[in-house]
Order: sequence, then C-alpha cells, then structure tokens
Amino acid sequence: DSGVTQTPKHLITATGQRVTLRCSPRSGDLSVYWYQQSLDQGLQFLIQYYNGEERAKGNILERFSAQQFPDLHSELNLSSLELGDSALYFCASSVSLAGRLDTQYFGPGTRLTVL
Amino acid sequence: EDKVVQSPLSLVVHEGDTVTLNCSYEVTNFRSLLWYKQEKKAPTFLFMLTSSGIEKKSGRLSSILDKKELFSILNITATQTGDSAVYLCAVGGGSQGNLIFGKGTKLSVKP
Repeated sequence: DSGVTQTPKHLITATGQRVTLRCSPRSGDLSVYWYQQSLDQGLQFLIQYYNGEERAKGNILERFSAQQFPDLHSELNLSSLELGDSALYFCASSVSLAGRLDTQYFGPGTRLTVL
Repeated sequence: EDKVVQSPLSLVVHEGDTVTLNCSYEVTNFRSLLWYKQEKKAPTFLFMLTSSGIEKKSGRLSSILDKKELFSILNITATQTGDSAVYLCAVGGGSQGNLIFGKGTKLSVKP
C-alpha cells in the first residue's frame, strides 16, 4: 500500500457524460500527478499540481481538467466522454515540486469504461 | 522530443533464470531514472538512480545507470513466478520536469 488513495475503483458510464475521479496523496506529499494508462499508449502524464497550483501539463485533452484543494486532495474531471477515454487513471504523489526526490508513489487507479 | 525506450517489450523465462531488462533514454535536463514494477494494479517503486555507475540492489534485483551512454539495466537473478509483471522505466527531467515513462517490459516467469 503506497498511501495514495483513489476513488472510485471502477466507473462505467456512457459517451457524452462527465465524471470526477478523486485522489488523496500520501501524508506530507505536496505534489499530485495524474496519469492515463491505456493498452497501446502506456503511462501518459496528464497534469501535475503542487500545493494547490497547477505546475505542469502533459498530454491532457481540453475536455479534461483537474484541481487540487487546500487539504491537498485532487480531482480529475473528464467531460464529453468518448469511447477512447476508457483507460486506467492513476494518481501519484511525491514530496517535492522538482527537487531531487522525484520518486512518485502511485495510487491503485480508477478503471474508467465508457460505453 | 524526450523519449524513453525499453527492450525487450516482452520476455518469457523459466524459474531460476537471470534476466536483464534495458532502458535507454533521450531526455533533456535529466535528473533521475526510476524503475517500477506493475502487476495487476498500480506501479510500485523499485529503485531510483541519479549517479552514473552506482549499482542499487535489493535482494535479487539490481540496477545500474550509465549517464554517458544514456541507459540503465535492471537485473533479476534466480527469477520466481512472483517476478512476473510489467517493469517500467521512467526518467525524471524533460521540459516539464516530470517523469517520462517507457512502455514497459512484460516479464513472464514460467514454473
């Protein structure tokens, strides 16, 4: 158990819908990262927050957005869902923004299925 | 463009064999290289390497980084069926300063 929690574990929804994925980082970690993992693409970095502020953006679609709250938990919002959005979504956390400690600890993931 | 390439993509061995997994990278502003093991769920952290030539070891697993040649290897000796997993290599750095993952090596260890 990495100490990172994610809810829900599974989510099944229809095309065009909107969902929210939730992540709580390890105690003491200020950075939260979101990743998408699909069979053919591997782990793709989406976005990073540090202490409530967006710090880096990766391959995140405009239909997706995220935020980090004062208690450091984070939410990833996915809207106008398409079949291709079906994937595992991981949250990871780390201690620092961009210091020497890059080790990211991953949560168990949310499996999203869009029908 | 920053990239991390792992080889082989998949590997099947028998218990007791020794395997070597490869990771090469082209990443600007390199800071660190990490290895993760992913079974059915989340990637779990194995090693982080920042200095060239230093071997990190944990039980039957070891890893070394060559910053000059831009690659790392992960060795697993006396493999067991529990070693079956996807092994991910990730490099910290790049234009965004985050982890860039390779596509992984799927290791299957047969009894």
